[in-house]
Amino acid sequence: DIQMTQSPSSLSASVGDRVTITCRASQSISTYLNWYQQKPGKAPKLLIYAASSLQSGVPSRFSGSGSGTDFTLTISSLQPEDFATYYCQQSYSTPRTFGQGTRLEIK
Amino acid sequence: QVQLQESGPGLVKPSETLSLTCTVSGGSISSYYWSWIRQPPGKGLEWIGYIYNSGSTNYNPSLKSRVTISVDTSKNQFSLKLSSVTAADTAVYYCERDVGARGMDVWGQGTTVTVSS
Repeated sequence: DIQMTQSPSSLSASVGDRVTITCRASQSISTYLNWYQQKPGKAPKLLIYAASSLQSGVPSRFSGSGSGTDFTLTISSLQPEDFATYYCQQSYSTPRTFGQGTRLEIK
Repeated sequence: QVQLQESGPGLVKPSETLSLTCTVSGGSISSYYWSWIRQPPGKGLEWIGYIYNSGSTNYNPSLKSRVTISVDTSKNQFSLKLSSVTAADTAVYYCERDVGARGMDVWGQGTTVTVSS
């Protein structure tokens, strides 16, 4: 199985801050990397697919980059609705695997 | 647009079989991969497996001996069976559409399943 490791596990930030979350794969996955946002009691929502492609309807303040084993999710200017948990996920092979999540909290 | 809705019992006894169904509306089930994912309380996401419309399946090795995913194209539904459940199988279960390199783009709202006597 491909292991996905996110850092940090939790993060405190303020509205307007620029935030970066990192995801590392245990082997190269090219750009088969997706990012999701999950709010309490809700299903995950796809934000970024194929490492850097913005899912339709997702605000442009979200962006993704990386290839191989190292990837980042950046939120350019945090909005109140962005406080949530973020997961990376690899779609390079099965079993599909997720990072452990990064909880983004209000400072 | 495509919407997914999970249904099934919210309470299952230990050693019994958990059975859930996902109904696909607003689109055909006859393409893409259709998956189940679960999330134990306060924990992260675990992929259970998927089925393609042809009926071919792929399961997480950690659950493979207990999992069966099937599809009913006439009803636009796919289903999950997880046998010999224990308390460790208590989780929110989500069905979703896996479009491969384009990610998991449509999710059901999730259904909570508790394993308890």
